Amino acid sequence: SQKIEQNSEALNIQEGKTATLTCNYTNYSPAYLQWYRQDPGRGPVFLLLIRENEKEKRKERLKVTFDTTLKQSLFHITASQPADSATYLCAHLLNYGGSQGNLIFGKGTKLSVKP
Amino acid sequence: EAGVVQSPRYKIIEKKQPVAFWCNPISGHNTLYWYRQNLGQGPELLIRYENEEAVDDSQLPKDRFSAERLKGVDSTLKIQPAELGDSAVYLCASSGRDRRSYEQYFGPGTRLTVT
Repeated sequence: SQKIEQNSEALNIQEGKTATLTCNYTNYSPAYLQWYRQDPGRGPVFLLLIRENEKEKRKERLKVTFDTTLKQSLFHITASQPADSATYLCAHLLNYGGSQGNLIFGKGTKLSVKP
Repeated sequence: EAGVVQSPRYKIIEKKQPVAFWCNPISGHNTLYWYRQNLGQGPELLIRYENEEAVDDSQLPKDRFSAERLKGVDSTLKIQPAELGDSAVYLCASSGRDRRSYEQYFGPGTRLTVT
């Protein structure tokens, strides 16, 4: 069955450093991967989408890479700030025709940025 | 623009009691999703609607769960009777026709506790 895994449950880093979160998938090749941020007591918020034919996608201090050989996506936050502390979810987008899109989520990685 | 609205935010019930959750998606969004999120896990899809039609309810436990989306706007998710294992956060999301990101917009969720 299709599985998407975020191996690190938690990541603690110092302010100003680059945070790198990992998302691995097995038994299939997703065409689209999304990354979401979730704060306590709130629903996930969309950050970035990367397609299988894209190596890298950037948005401000965020960068996502997609390596189909390693079956892995990396999510980077540069110059991290305490406000970046949250849980980050990787998700595979299924049935992406038109506006449709079922998401299969990983468990998430809780990032803590210490001042 | 108002986001996805869910009510109630919290609900505590005894097992075997019924419970209902309500969702109002973003105006103009044809696709509506219900997810369940257990503690420390990513959201898992229960059902997806395209307008008023349930196009994917394969993960919905139909013996006790039901959902409806009358007139293709608001939606209600019901559990009857509730079991202890149903304790979770129930998230509603909606999406439009943005093919650049296939972004899903999530509500804040309803935290259900079954005692």
